[in-house]
Amino acid sequence: EAAVTQSPRNKVAVTGGKVTLSCNQTNNHNNMYWYRQDTGHGLRLIHYSYGAGSTEKGDIPDGYKASRPSQENFSLILELATPSQTSVYFCASGSTGGLYEQYFGPGTRLTVL
Amino acid sequence: AQSVTQPDARVTVSEGASLQLRCKYSYSGTPYLFWYVQYPRQGLQLLLKYYSGDPVVQGVNGFEAEFSKSNSSFHLRKASVHWSDSAVYFCVLSERNYKYVFGAGTRLKVIA
Repeated sequence: EAAVTQSPRNKVAVTGGKVTLSCNQTNNHNNMYWYRQDTGHGLRLIHYSYGAGSTEKGDIPDGYKASRPSQENFSLILELATPSQTSVYFCASGSTGGLYEQYFGPGTRLTVL
Repeated sequence: AQSVTQPDARVTVSEGASLQLRCKYSYSGTPYLFWYVQYPRQGLQLLLKYYSGDPVVQGVNGFEAEFSKSNSSFHLRKASVHWSDSAVYFCVLSERNYKYVFGAGTRLKVIA
């Protein structure tokens, strides 16, 4: 079964600090995604990747960087965290070749004080 | 531009009653459509998907959805809801580049 894990599950950070959210998938999927979820907005795409070494900007990339060092791992980096980045962050993985399902991790709840 | 609209932010139904959650999409061409469910403090789980063919697709836990190209809709239905169905439901459209477009979600509350 598809497996996407995220760490940490909860994080409290200070304004101006650096935050790294990690995601690991054991599905051997090419594609990986980072979303944030805020009330009334559904999920919004921050960054995504089509494979190791590649990252692409999503719909709301400002203030975020991403890194895909391997097929399995995809990180989201907040270099200078701000309170507006307080949210729940979800990672997902998905295949290619005509299969469009994405499989989601359990989420990371980030609070920036 | 492609978009997904879920017109009902909140829906309350009695246990055992039937359910319909509405979804309208805007997309040039035939879309790939999904319904996901999110239980409290959890990630999203796939309920069902539509790629082509029979417009009525079956999903898990007795859910089904009907695709209508003429109405640009993909409504989710269930004949008899259970209290455990209380959750947030998302209608999602996938673009050909494997990017998702999400609706804002409908929060379902099932009452006794």
